Amino acid sequence: GAGVSQSPSNKVTEKGKDVELRCDPISGHTALYWYRQSLGQGLEFLIYFQGNSAPDKSGLPSDRFSAERTGGSVSTLTIQRTQQEDSAVYLCASSHQGWPRPTSGAYNEQFFGPGTRLTVL
Amino acid sequence: GDSVTQMEGPVTLSEEAFLTINCTYTATGYPSLFWYVQYPGEGLQLLLKATKADDKGSNKGFEATYRKETTSFHLEKGSVQVSDSAVYFCALVNNDMRFGAGTRLTVKP
Repeated sequence: GAGVSQSPSNKVTEKGKDVELRCDPISGHTALYWYRQSLGQGLEFLIYFQGNSAPDKSGLPSDRFSAERTGGSVSTLTIQRTQQEDSAVYLCASSHQGWPRPTSGAYNEQFFGPGTRLTVL
Repeated sequence: GDSVTQMEGPVTLSEEAFLTINCTYTATGYPSLFWYVQYPGEGLQLLLKATKADDKGSNKGFEATYRKETTSFHLEKGSVQVSDSAVYFCALVNNDMRFGAGTRLTVKP
């Protein structure tokens, strides 16, 4: 596709339910990132995939959060037993390469999807 | 750890006014610095970047200079337009990527 796509665009769920958020990166991009944007807050890094493996899971806020990536393409972020504080916009991004920066000093731009707005009632 | 601090908003300006959004950072080594923009209803887009000290990134009339001595990367535009209304995020990449909290800019006709 032309860009990063995410689904659903909006998700309303009840506290305690599980949700799955999907990200389709740009074809050929090996790196994929998940971020969370809470109201009035900056972007909070959640997890980064290089291919199908996740070398950096440091941002996942709790063990209720997990993510996987299959075939080096689509990624799913799963939140179990959702809480009201999980309400936020979840953003996915992809890039040609990931972290750490290539030794050339160049940085491969991250292209962001439109996000999934999650509301936990 | 690394961090980015940017000017709190919201910022409201009249069309053709001068814009400055301050951004300072804390990082070890030599990070790359970025400004991203999020227009209403859209995803984040890279606006400009600078990969080493004294580099100036520019795009769409916006500019920012990588100042290592002051650890800053302030965003400027000489004459803003209504279409510049958006949220602007300062960010750095070092061993990972860190974003500032974002600054909402509203430009009135």
